[in-house]
Amino acid sequence: KQEVTQIPAALSVPEGENLVLNCSFTDSAIYNLQWFRQDPGKGLTSLLLIQSSQREQTSGRLNASLDKSSGRSTLYIAASQPGDSATYLCAKGGATNKLIFGTGTLLAVQP
Amino acid sequence: GAGVSQSPRYKVTKRGQDVALRCDPISGHVSLYWYRQALGQGPEFLTYFNYEAQQDKSGLPNDRFSAERPEGSISTLTIQRTEQRDSAMYRCASSDIAGSSYNEQFFGPGTRLTVL
Repeated sequence: KQEVTQIPAALSVPEGENLVLNCSFTDSAIYNLQWFRQDPGKGLTSLLLIQSSQREQTSGRLNASLDKSSGRSTLYIAASQPGDSATYLCAKGGATNKLIFGTGTLLAVQP
Repeated sequence: GAGVSQSPRYKVTKRGQDVALRCDPISGHVSLYWYRQALGQGPEFLTYFNYEAQQDKSGLPNDRFSAERPEGSISTLTIQRTEQRDSAMYRCASSDIAGSSYNEQFFGPGTRLTVL
């Protein structure tokens, strides 16, 4: 049973463009929503964590929002750069502390 | 400061052999998690510890998989009688507050296991 879904699966944009990555989840019993970046051969880098009581978090060019009622989170990347190219994963945290991940969005930013 | 470390980074073994994967969490982190990630998929939960106590092992696929964290720091994930289907990236994460919504998890680089 897929609880966390990410759309699109892959995205290619020209450098400088603003973009939005989508994450949806089926269970409203959510404690937090965490966004990660995954680079080939490397670990997962935590980008942003939104608590269930919050609506959004910002870090530099990144902004993540959380709408529990609709079961959605978005990651907004402003002024994209080639160095932003990676796989972006969202993960839902529940009462049991384990994270449930989506399958990721593979982002390519073309110079 | 040092992040989560895992060893070995790569492990190639023959079917039927036992393997032990090690995770060294961020110093002082209370909770430690193991995940497994297949190619093209997100990580899937295996088990987690608060201090030395295993809190949830519902994600372990079968009884060939076990994990321990005897002193509440370093953890070992052991796979007995490995099978080809066990080939995957095994990821470890830690967080500093147990049982809290402020549960940001920090991941290590992973161990790539290949079973021939």
